[in-house]
Amino acid sequence: GAGVSQSPSNKVTEKGKDVELRCDPISGHTALYWYRQSLGQGLEFLIYFQGNSAPDKSGLPSDRFSAERTGGSVSTLTIQRTQQEDSAVYLCASSSHRESFGTGELFFGEGSRLTVL
Amino acid sequence: DQQVKQNSPSLSVQEGRISILNCDYTNSMFDYFLWYKKYPAEGPTFLISISSIKDKNEDGRFTVFLNKSAKHLSLHIVPSQPGDSAVYFCAAVRGANSKLTFGKGITLSVRP
Repeated sequence: GAGVSQSPSNKVTEKGKDVELRCDPISGHTALYWYRQSLGQGLEFLIYFQGNSAPDKSGLPSDRFSAERTGGSVSTLTIQRTQQEDSAVYLCASSSHRESFGTGELFFGEGSRLTVL
Repeated sequence: DQQVKQNSPSLSVQEGRISILNCDYTNSMFDYFLWYKKYPAEGPTFLISISSIKDKNEDGRFTVFLNKSAKHLSLHIVPSQPGDSAVYFCAAVRGANSKLTFGKGITLSVRP
């Protein structure tokens, strides 16, 4: 497709289970971001991949969270031993490499809504 | 530490009037600022941006103003339309290839 694709769109899981969320960025985009939006909160940065550089993991809230980006394209965000506070909409975004920020566009997917019971 | 702050959670304006959405930031190293718009059940979409070397950028009904000395920016929408009702996020970035830091968003409601 032309846009950022995320799956699943909705996930309900039980506390303690592991979940995987997938992001398919726009073809050719070198940068990929994961954000999450909890109820009533803003967009919280989680992790950022840029080309072959080491990812910026500074936003991951705990070691239960991890992400990888295989082949510079698809990314998977994994949450182990989910907790109720992990319930949120997880948003993926991608952008092309920028010489300057220019329009600064990130293209977001529609998000994966995670509910931990 | 909230580096980008949108202190008002909501704003309601009459159709045809001006909407002014405010944003404050603490990091003087930010060099680009952006506004994103989000409808329910959709991802945010880019609206307008401004470089730190400018103080104003206009695109149709949307104008962003930047006051670097006050570390403040604002988004003006005029005239406001009911379709503008959405959550608006302010974001800032330092450097060309870095992560965006977002505010908590403000919910704009435009009354017909």
